[in-house]
Amino acid sequence: DGGITQSPKYLFRKEGQNVTLSCEQNLNHDAMYWYRQDPGQGLRLIYYSQIVNDFQKGDIAEGYSVSREKKESFPLTVTSAQKNPTAFYLCASIRTGPLRTEAFFGQGTRLTVV
Amino acid sequence: GIQVEQSPPDLILQEGANSTLRCNFSDSVNNLQWFHQNPWGQLINLFYIPSGTKQNGRLSATTVATERYSLLYISSSQTTDSGVYFCAVGGGSQGNLIFGKGTKLSVKP
Repeated sequence: DGGITQSPKYLFRKEGQNVTLSCEQNLNHDAMYWYRQDPGQGLRLIYYSQIVNDFQKGDIAEGYSVSREKKESFPLTVTSAQKNPTAFYLCASIRTGPLRTEAFFGQGTRLTVV
Repeated sequence: GIQVEQSPPDLILQEGANSTLRCNFSDSVNNLQWFHQNPWGQLINLFYIPSGTKQNGRLSATTVATERYSLLYISSSQTTDSGVYFCAVGGGSQGNLIFGKGTKLSVKP
């Protein structure tokens, strides 16, 4: 089945650690996005990539890093510079066409600082 | 940038009732999607509806692009409809979706 897979589902981070969240898609979409969701809030854009080997900062990129070495994969690293990383992280890929731009989401990763 | 406002922020219904959720957006958009976020956090695609009307079972949606709003209708609500409903629009400079803050729906048995 085609889709977007995020792992792990739950992640615990100690203070000062970097952690990496995985996002893989087999939908053959060029564009991939990382969003952060805090309790009771909407989604905010962290980073996005519209093509392999290229990515751009979103609205809240500080303390995060990404890579896009393969079309299928867009991992997100939460660095120790991110002071409040506890949140729900969602990865999306977007199907683009001449008249259609539609997003599909993974199941999410819940990150907690311990 | 484009602003997306959803109303109401919270909605409590008795099972079997109907409801209408609204999404207003501040500029022309090339995409509008409705999502349901289930209790486990996953965003489920409900509708891709930049304009017009669509129906899927007990759910239907209408977008009037010229007036910059969309409505999601839920008929004969069930407890499994509970969760947060998000409206998201495209048209941002980054090619991404811009989300509203959601409507939290609670359906009581």
